[in-house]
Amino acid sequence: DQQVKQNSPSLSVQEGRISILNCDYTNSMFDYFLWYKKYPAEGPTFLISISSIKDKNEDGRFTVFLNKSAKHLSLHIVPSQPGDSAVYFCAVAYSGAGSYQLTFGKGTKLSVIP
Amino acid sequence: DTGVSQDPRHKITKRGQNVTFRCDPISEHNRLYWYRQTLGQGPEFLTYFQNEAQLEKSRLLSDRFSAERPKGSFSTLEIQRTEQGDSAMYLCASSPQGRNQPQHFGDGTRLSIL
Repeated sequence: DQQVKQNSPSLSVQEGRISILNCDYTNSMFDYFLWYKKYPAEGPTFLISISSIKDKNEDGRFTVFLNKSAKHLSLHIVPSQPGDSAVYFCAVAYSGAGSYQLTFGKGTKLSVIP
Repeated sequence: DTGVSQDPRHKITKRGQNVTFRCDPISEHNRLYWYRQTLGQGPEFLTYFQNEAQLEKSRLLSDRFSAERPKGSFSTLEIQRTEQGDSAMYLCASSPQGRNQPQHFGDGTRLSIL
């Protein structure tokens, strides 16, 4: 049973527009949420994170929103650039139990069209 | 900051052989993690070290798998009697101590079993 779901396997966006990637999780105990970007033949690169005490975190063009009641998080990229074309993974963790393992979704492939 | 380094990048071996991978974490990070990623999936947690102590193991880590971090610096992951199902990308990550610290990944070792 998937604990983290990224329901859109792919997304195409025009350069300069907003990209919105979505992620749903099932366990309300998760309290730390991250987004990673992955290019082919490379490992995942950390982008941005948010803890459960916040509902928004911004870093430059990237903003993560957390809706705890809906168990939903999203990543907004504004403006989108061709170099943002990659697979994006959301990941969740429950640090309260002293566990630091990340549980990942299956990823969304973002294509930014020039 | 030289990043997480993994060696080798690729390994091709025959079924039944033993293989060993190495991971060098970011130097000031005392936490080290191993994940496995197969096609179309997100990374799946295998095991976690804090310094030299292995504190968490996934049920995915069968008795053919063993991981060590003898001096709290680099780590090795050994797979004995490899099987076809072991073909995957093996990723290593590291993070500093403390709550809600993002994990930083290496580029992985791709294992192919003939």
